[in-house]
Amino acid sequence: RKEVEQDPGPFNVPEGATVAFNCTYSNSASQSFFWYRQDCRKEPKLLMSVYSSGNEDGRFTAQLNRASQYISLLIRDSKLSDSATYLCVVNRSAGNKLTFGGGTRVLVKP
Amino acid sequence: DADVTQTPRNRITKTGKRIMLECSQTKGHDRMYWYRQDPGLGLQLIYYSFDVKDINKGEISDGYSVSRQAQAKFSLSLESAIPNQTALYFCATSAGGREINEQFFGPGTRLTVL
Repeated sequence: RKEVEQDPGPFNVPEGATVAFNCTYSNSASQSFFWYRQDCRKEPKLLMSVYSSGNEDGRFTAQLNRASQYISLLIRDSKLSDSATYLCVVNRSAGNKLTFGGGTRVLVKP
Repeated sequence: DADVTQTPRNRITKTGKRIMLECSQTKGHDRMYWYRQDPGLGLQLIYYSFDVKDINKGEISDGYSVSRQAQAKFSLSLESAIPNQTALYFCATSAGGREINEQFFGPGTRLTVL
């Protein structure tokens, strides 16, 4: 089983709609969680960190469920520019080593 | 100017050749990383370095070596390239300290081994 698993998608989303997807992690000792965004053939960039209490950044909401070992990302009022691959990233130990999921591809269409 | 640069951006080479990928950063970060990305597999950590005298193996270090020539430079070598090393390679940097800090990625090097 992969340490970090994501539905690869694609999630085809009408512009203006809401989309949500999850990521599961296998190591219960995982400590820090992030969502990175990667555009086609480009480098990943941090979208947002995921805090235990859940957090929101504009149209993006991230949640953490430690009991079930998953994190989620919700995008409201989807824009065409939200089309990208969203990488779930987990840190499970001291030090800045990250484990990346395979990514969930989101396609927002007019 | 980009904070994290990688050279070359694209490279096609033949099996058995020695290849070096270079990474430079102007962010002043102590920590540097090399990842490879294959379709559907996410990024896999090859090597990482928390300062100039520190080199650590990642998940998939076999067939690779690295050199941290200075705080700002971290190079990845494939001593004898093989076709399954065809991938997109990313260098990344992060600040040091106890907290888990954001990693900043270079634009990537697309390597094809024939």
